[in-house]
Amino acid sequence: NAGVTQTPKFRILKIGQSMTLQCTQDMNHNYMYWYRQDPGMGLKLIYYSVGAGITDKGEVPNGYNVSRSTTEDFPLRLELAAPSQTSVYFCASSYYRTKARDTQYFGPGTRLTVL
Amino acid sequence: GESVGLHLPTLSVQEGDNSIINCAYSNSASDYFIWYKQESGKGPQFIIDIRSNMDKRQGQRVTVLLNKTVKHLSLQIAATQPGDSAVYFCAEKNTEYGNKLVFGAGTILRVKS
Repeated sequence: NAGVTQTPKFRILKIGQSMTLQCTQDMNHNYMYWYRQDPGMGLKLIYYSVGAGITDKGEVPNGYNVSRSTTEDFPLRLELAAPSQTSVYFCASSYYRTKARDTQYFGPGTRLTVL
Repeated sequence: GESVGLHLPTLSVQEGDNSIINCAYSNSASDYFIWYKQESGKGPQFIIDIRSNMDKRQGQRVTVLLNKTVKHLSLQIAATQPGDSAVYFCAEKNTEYGNKLVFGAGTILRVKS
């Protein structure tokens, strides 16, 4: 298994541009997540999905959109990039069952700079 | 609100010594805790987890201790190696309410050779 893969690894955007960060997992996990990590900080949840066709907001959703048309893919869309969105973005997935221990597995990250 | 925090932002240890990384959590309803390791330029990597019905769990060279009375979590690394140098995050969740993890800010572990 490749696990969780993310593309691109790096990207520089100008203010107002848009882009999509791609995330794919091959572990047949039902849950997928997007986090952002600012320098010297922990991870903050942007959006998550409990299955194909279902998404929900996390802690910091403003300025982002997501979709989940398949179990494997969970792209994150930035419509009007702003300098405040400069960060490292991590996608994660897990197989969630009620009250069970389960682990989120993370991708390698996308480093985004907005100038 | 919920928060998970760490006491020490940076920890320097000599190679071969034991390391202890601490974490405080504020949500007494959290029943599952995870430690992640993040090396430079990489995503977080699962190290070890523990449920709230346990107070200790051991892995390979790592031990997690949970003290629910004072809402404290620690990660002990035995015989610390240069490859252990990374940022370590604790995370918590309440499994009754879905799968959202709350992460702490992280502790930098530096291993001196």
